[in-house]
Amino acid sequence: RKEVEQDPGPFNVPEGATVAFNCTYSNSASQSFFWYRQDCRKEPKLLMSVYSSGNEDGRFTAQLNRASQYISLLIRDSKLSDSATYLCVVGHNDMRFGAGTRLTVKP
Amino acid sequence: EPEVTQTPSHQVTQMGQEVILRCVPISNHLYFYWYRQILGQKVEFLVSFYNNEISEKSEIFDDQFSVERPDGSNFTLKIRSTKLEDSAMYFCASSEEPRPSTEAFFGQGTRLTVV
Repeated sequence: RKEVEQDPGPFNVPEGATVAFNCTYSNSASQSFFWYRQDCRKEPKLLMSVYSSGNEDGRFTAQLNRASQYISLLIRDSKLSDSATYLCVVGHNDMRFGAGTRLTVKP
Repeated sequence: EPEVTQTPSHQVTQMGQEVILRCVPISNHLYFYWYRQILGQKVEFLVSFYNNEISEKSEIFDDQFSVERPDGSNFTLKIRSTKLEDSAMYFCASSEEPRPSTEAFFGQGTRLTVV
């Protein structure tokens, strides 16, 4: 089983759509959880940390379910600029990345 | 805004040659990482470094790889004898706390091409 597994994608959605990404992780001792965003041929950049109680940052909502070892990211009212690859990242002694889910938002 | 800087941005080397990839982490950060990303594939953990020693390393980080913090500011990744399959984007990252509970900031990467 992969350490961090994500929806394979790609997701192609119209502007204004709501889109959800899912991620599962295998190490139950993992302590920290993040969503990163990566634009083509660029470095990963933090989108948001994920807390046990769930958290929201504008149009972005992240949820964590420790019992199911599952993380989600919801993007509401998607913009063209949201087009990127979204990386689920799980930390224990180091940070492990999922393979990423490619999102394309179209006009 | 403080940032992680990496040099060079692109390095081309012949198979079998040694390369050194350089990184300057954010100044008050204590925990350092190297990751690599082969074109079209996922970001893969190589090694983490804290308090002048390796904390964790992956199965990718074999004897041909080494890391060093030679002068308190630079953090380097050395590949002793490059292979074609070492061609990838190499990202350096740093975080403030000694365990990865906080955001890791990534450099813009060094694209290594082995020919």
